[in-house]
Amino acid sequence: QSVLTQPPSVSGAPGQRVTISCTGSGSNFGAGFDVHWYQQLPGTAPKLLIYGNTNRPSGVPDRFSGSKSGTSASLAITGLQAEDEADYYCQSYDSSLSGVVFGGGTKLTVL
Amino acid sequence: QVQLVQSGAEVRKPGASVKVSCKASGYTFTNYDISWVRQAPGQGLEWMGWISGYNGNTNYAQKFQGRVTVTTDTSTNTAYIELRSLRSDDTALYYCARKVVGTTYFDYWGQGTMVIVSS
Repeated sequence: QSVLTQPPSVSGAPGQRVTISCTGSGSNFGAGFDVHWYQQLPGTAPKLLIYGNTNRPSGVPDRFSGSKSGTSASLAITGLQAEDEADYYCQSYDSSLSGVVFGGGTKLTVL
Repeated sequence: QVQLVQSGAEVRKPGASVKVSCKASGYTFTNYDISWVRQAPGQGLEWMGWISGYNGNTNYAQKFQGRVTVTTDTSTNTAYIELRSLRSDDTALYYCARKVVGTTYFDYWGQGTMVIVSS
């Protein structure tokens, strides 16, 4: 059971928009800690996709965007492409655990 | 360019220990932290702990306290994680990742080291 809750899977057709939710609690998002997102392509290490709730590292397309409100956060992907098929993880810090926490991951399938 | 290069795969018996290395290059090692994250086969990401590249201060996940030690060697820009009393459920891919000081995200990751625990 992960501290941050994500849907196990989402899917969308090429060109569509999909969102991935990440639900936390008062000891992480609600305490003001940021959400970060990672993309893990099959057989590779995770890659930072969004940091500090809404910021994209250099090289990440603007098709990817993040948001956070209260105890929930979401990742949106517009103009879905086949290469976006991957696992996506949200991550934050939890004051009750005094450590980093991850969501369970969401598998994105491009139909 | 920033690179984190990890040591090769390891096989251990239950009860043994394993030490995995992560050699950093392309940045000033002491200006960043190094974190360790593991991923069991077919499972999600699990944070284990981090260490300051500046002063060696550590922060471990409660689940691993007493069984894990993270260290650095600033002369070689290398971080290490040692996990003791290995169990079969410690079988996983172990990643090191760079953490920006004062933040909680990981901007560069190593390629991963597979640790298999089997009798």
